[in-house]
Amino acid sequence: DTEVTQTPKHLVMGMTNKKSLKCEQHMGHRAMYWYKQKAKKPPELMFVYSYEKLSINESVPSRFSPECPNSSLLNLHLHALQPEDSALYLCASSQGDHTGTPLPFFGPGTRLTVL
Amino acid sequence: KQEVTQIPAALSVPEGENLVLNCSFTDSAIYNLQWFRQDPGKGLTSLLLIQSSQREQTSGRLNASLDKSSGRSTLYIAASQPGDSATYLCAAPNLISSGSARQLTFGSGTQLTVLP
Repeated sequence: DTEVTQTPKHLVMGMTNKKSLKCEQHMGHRAMYWYKQKAKKPPELMFVYSYEKLSINESVPSRFSPECPNSSLLNLHLHALQPEDSALYLCASSQGDHTGTPLPFFGPGTRLTVL
Repeated sequence: KQEVTQIPAALSVPEGENLVLNCSFTDSAIYNLQWFRQDPGKGLTSLLLIQSSQREQTSGRLNASLDKSSGRSTLYIAASQPGDSATYLCAAPNLISSGSARQLTFGSGTQLTVLP
């Protein structure tokens, strides 16, 4: 299994809703990432988990809450989002070692629309 | 902090033409550079990974080069086809201080249209 899966593919939510995005990989990768991509812009890093611990939080608003329950799963909990948070949310994973070639694998993304 | 720039932002070519996409980066102390393809509304597909010790990497009709000293990489697409139409992104990694993960800095991409 050499892929990263993300659910749901599409999500429409109101500003008062609470929802979660899910990401899963079974490649034994120990680093997992959330990226946000606005239309016609490059992906921007949000969070990095390394060995199930949060390594990087790129000053992301607290209405986004990541969670890594185990080495295969990564969640992004959403609450009280704003319309400007509408974007494609990409999950990725990588081998995460010093000497290897940590080619990140990207999931297909979740298209989020906040009304 | 690494900055990655891609030119042109958009490119339209007739089918069959050979083309070159450009990527430049500010921090030459990279250990690899990647090229990705992204179709509209879709995720990223990794095309080529060039290690810092390499100068070129080839996959089918794609050839990527890396010149660390000048801070440049190019993606060459031979005999372009309409199916090559997509956005092409280059990305350079930064080693995260924890040592076990990589942060990619992406260029803004080149939107390629190959006309039949």
